[in-house]
Parts: sequence; structure tokens; C-alpha cells
Amino acid sequence: DAKTTQPTSMDCAEGRAANLPCNHSTISGNEYVYWYRQIHSQGPQYIIHGLKNNETNEMASLIITEDRKSSTLILPHATLRDTAVYYCIVRVALLIQGAQKLVFGQGTRLTINP
Amino acid sequence: GAVVSQHPSRVICKSGTSVKIECRSLDFQATTMFWYRQFPKQSLMLMATSNEGSKATYEQGVEKDKFLINHASLTLSTLTVTSAHPEDSSFYICSARGTGETSGSYEQYFGPGTRLTVT
Repeated sequence: DAKTTQPTSMDCAEGRAANLPCNHSTISGNEYVYWYRQIHSQGPQYIIHGLKNNETNEMASLIITEDRKSSTLILPHATLRDTAVYYCIVRVALLIQGAQKLVFGQGTRLTINP
Repeated sequence: GAVVSQHPSRVICKSGTSVKIECRSLDFQATTMFWYRQFPKQSLMLMATSNEGSKATYEQGVEKDKFLINHASLTLSTLTVTSAHPEDSSFYICSARGTGETSGSYEQYFGPGTRLTVT
């Protein structure tokens, strides 16, 4: 699986948009970009994933650059409850069993300030 | 969405004893389950991957005789930490992958974690 690089920590004011960058310059054509987050002492929570097009769901938006070497997760209106560690992971998606595993990097510790 | 539960959420055991942690997929069948371990202020480290009815595949450096994994059904996997020592104290998290995929990708659902303290 390709490696990702994320800033160690970020701060954002409550109510503002939080933009979390991720570099994945060695991503392969068949690898997706996944984002998870982990609130303190809980299991990781799936946020969003994408291949090449920008994606949006009720939690966040994912912007992937045209060359797919980097992406940005956007939390449009951050709240205090969004304080967590955010993990960007790239991996191949399979249609068959023989699961590929999710390997976590160090992630970005996002702190939302009141 | 899919729900994964773990039991117990917290456990304290004495050094030398064994402790079992259960992981259940509540509303879907999971052919594959993953076990992770997380030390304070560190990221999740994958310990092993288990497929229902098969032996688990352990990551390098993880002792299979110490961390026994059983995946006997499509909704249940267990991790048994045998002869636990204080250095095994950690946050153990399981994850389950469903039997079906959509749109060329899949989602892996995580349990809430089990905090093990060995005294």
C-alpha cells in the first residue's frame, strides 16, 4: 500500500471549516483514498473515501487533486466534537475476498477550539 | 450503518492469567475480522487478520501462541491474551469487513475497543 504523509497536529476554531491535507505521491491507479477518525478512547470511525472524483457526504468532503498525489478532507463547520485524530489511508479495493488490511499511519491530531 | 461490538470494554487482570476479548458484528456477516492494538499516544497497529473458519494470519512480530484468535462464525471473533504481562496492557480494537462490496470498494467497521490493564 502507498504511504501517506499528514501534519502531526492542527487547530481550528469552532464553526470554521477544518481542512486536513494528506500527501500520497506514490498512490497507484487502483488505490482509493480513505479517511477515518478516532475520538479519544474509541474505535476508528469511517468518514469518507474516493478514487479520483471529489466526494461529499453528511460528515465531510474529500477533494482529490487531479494527479491524485494529494487530497484534503474538509469538515465544513467544525464542532468541538470533531476533535480527534484523523487518518488518511490509501489502499486497493477488492471485489473478492482475501481482504486487504487497513494500515494506519500517525494521523493528524485535530483540535477544535471554542 | 454496520455495528461492531466488543466485550468487555475494560478488563483488569493479574499477571500470568489469560483474558478473552469478544468481537461481534451485530447486523452483518463478517468473513474477515482484524485485530489491532494501540498504545497510548500511538497509532493503531495491526496484529492479525482472521477469516471465518481459517487460521489467523499474524503480522510480523506478533506471537501467535500468546494472542490466540478464533473466528468460528461469521459474526464472532475472539482474541485471547494468554499469560498476560503488564506490557500487554493496551487498547485492543477489532474490525470487521462485510461479505459484500459496492462500487468497487469496501468499508471496514471498527469496534469501540477494549482497554486491558494487566497488574
